[in-house]
Amino acid sequence: GAVVSQHPSWVICKSGTSVKIECRSLDFQATTMFWYRQFPKQSLMLMATSNEGSKATYEQGVEKDKFLINHASLTLSTLTVTSAHPEDSSFYICSARSSGIAGQPQHFGDGTRLSIL
Amino acid sequence: QKEVEQDPGPLSVPEGAIVSLNCTYSNSAFQYFMWYRQYSRKGPELLMYTYSSGNKEDGRFTAQVDKSSKYISLFIRDSQPSDSATYLCAMNQAAGNKLTFGGGTRVLVKP
Repeated sequence: GAVVSQHPSWVICKSGTSVKIECRSLDFQATTMFWYRQFPKQSLMLMATSNEGSKATYEQGVEKDKFLINHASLTLSTLTVTSAHPEDSSFYICSARSSGIAGQPQHFGDGTRLSIL
Repeated sequence: QKEVEQDPGPLSVPEGAIVSLNCTYSNSAFQYFMWYRQYSRKGPELLMYTYSSGNKEDGRFTAQVDKSSKYISLFIRDSQPSDSATYLCAMNQAAGNKLTFGGGTRVLVKP
């Protein structure tokens, strides 16, 4: 149980293009999903918290116009990196927690490796 | 000072040994404590999830939480080469959703 699917797992694209990453909770409903960024040999850095049907909450220093988040249903959140540049290359990971009691653990997707040329 | 401190390692042990990992934290409001395992280029996988102080055992894994000392531990018995990974501790407050992570400890189990 508690499976989170992330797609694509790896994407390479040219500078200036936009890239969309999908995060799906397969066997549970997730009112809240999270988007993280991870640099090599570092821990996860929270970018934003995504709540179904409302605007995402971004962490300090994260450009909301650069990283567009949409959480249109209880099982799907998307992250769009707009006008991507080489410095946006990173490992992006989503997580989801089951709706209901606060404090439930987050379950993570397998990440998306983004390479901008 | 970071809210959650975790030794980055690497921690190298022979196969079959007990792996001992720990984290210290400063925020006494943390109530829920998690350990995740992360293989290279994969997302974190939840191993243990505990609430407040106490011990929890699941197979080869034992998690301990000592809130009075603000210290949590994970023990892996009979370690296997497949346990070689980075282990992340994480915690959050009862009323909040955001996780605060340790920096991760890299573990190498040598055959």
